[in-house]
Amino acid sequence: VQMTQSPSYLAASPGESVSISCKASKSISNNLAWYQEKPGKANKLLIHSGSTLQSGTPSRFSGSGSGTDFTLTIRSLESEDFAVYYCQQYNEYPLTFGSGTKLEIK
Amino acid sequence: QVQLQQSGAELVKPGSSVKISCKASGYTFTSYDMHWIKQQPGNGLEWIGWIYPGNGNTKYNQKFNGKATLTADKSSSTAYMQLSSLTSEDSAVYFCARWDYTFDYWGQGVMVTVSS
Repeated sequence: VQMTQSPSYLAASPGESVSISCKASKSISNNLAWYQEKPGKANKLLIHSGSTLQSGTPSRFSGSGSGTDFTLTIRSLESEDFAVYYCQQYNEYPLTFGSGTKLEIK
Repeated sequence: QVQLQQSGAELVKPGSSVKISCKASGYTFTSYDMHWIKQQPGNGLEWIGWIYPGNGNTKYNQKFNGKATLTADKSSSTAYMQLSSLTSEDSAVYFCARWDYTFDYWGQGVMVTVSS
């Protein structure tokens, strides 16, 4: 399953809201996760099952979608949110990832 | 707390092999699949395969058949990945990650550089 993530780059200011899209080449039900990558830190699971927040994920993060179209939304951006985000499908093997979205401070 | 501590960076020669490790702590090592993931700049993240330390069962991404071999040592709670016949295409950062219906914990990654 090919995962197409967009945009690849996003610039925003603290306090703003942003959305990242992830499209699957075929239906993956809601078997989608979102991860955050930050330099010097282990990757962090944010959301699984398309929209379920992992324990510890701030409520300003939300996920939506099912089937082929998914969205990660971050409301009221905080400085710690500037990072790279990946989507990943686990509906079938081989497990596949989106190409990533780098969220930078404007 | 769950921790996955990976071994240090490797500089290896083309045609050789390398074995990297991932030491798990803070949970029952034999109860969760351990996955391995490759990251190259510009190529994103690629799933390599998993091993279930409880019985040694493995599953690989077909792309990495013959390239990667996954093993696990229950006595030390350590998972290993050996990469063979290394080329420049194998230069990457390699992560281990615990699987609990998603990758809920990741190692810090190991940079492998293949160069003569």
